[in-house]
Amino acid sequence: AQTVTQSQPEMSVQEAETVTLSCTYDTSENNYYLFWYKQPPSRQMILVIRQEAYKQQNATENRFSVNFQKAAKSFSLKISDSQLGDTAMYFCAFIWGSGTYKYIFGTGTRLKVLA
Amino acid sequence: GAVVSQHPSWVICKSGTSVKIECRSLDFQATTMFWYRQFPKQSLMLMATSNEGSKATYEQGVEKDKFLINHASLTLSTLTVTSAHPEDSSFYICSARVGSLEQFFGPGTRLTVL
Repeated sequence: AQTVTQSQPEMSVQEAETVTLSCTYDTSENNYYLFWYKQPPSRQMILVIRQEAYKQQNATENRFSVNFQKAAKSFSLKISDSQLGDTAMYFCAFIWGSGTYKYIFGTGTRLKVLA
Repeated sequence: GAVVSQHPSWVICKSGTSVKIECRSLDFQATTMFWYRQFPKQSLMLMATSNEGSKATYEQGVEKDKFLINHASLTLSTLTVTSAHPEDSSFYICSARVGSLEQFFGPGTRLTVL
């Protein structure tokens, strides 16, 4: 069975600093995809970044980047130059490349950016 | 593009009544829609997968007679909570999938059962 683990329930970071959120997963699949979603207080889920497992290069989207370690089954999210608007719940999610492509979500990390 | 709406955004109902929540993909046709439930400060829990024109597939532990899902078209799925009780109070989120990967999420519906 596929599982996703986020071991940091809550984190805080000073504005303009850098923070890294951890995510590990367990799967026997080779073809899969990983995502980070942000859920601000509005509760709207917003895609932050995605990574295809077959790609060795780490995905980057502006201030957001991932450190994808396939052998270690680790998929951490780095937020650079943190902004107050980054305050939100962050969920790591996993899809494998067969079946119904259902998301497996982690338990989430609540990030608070401090002014 | 890829906007998903939900209606209503919040609803309060009396115990024993039924509530219908709509999920629409506004600018695309969704091959599959998903329904999630989220309790406060918790993750999203998948309830069911809905494909247009076919019966929904429910996750283990989700009562199909309690949570009726109808996927009438490629742009509309509905979730009806039948005979709602206070323990059904939660935040319900739908998502719609285009192709085989990314899901686009609706803004959610907060259900409070008195």
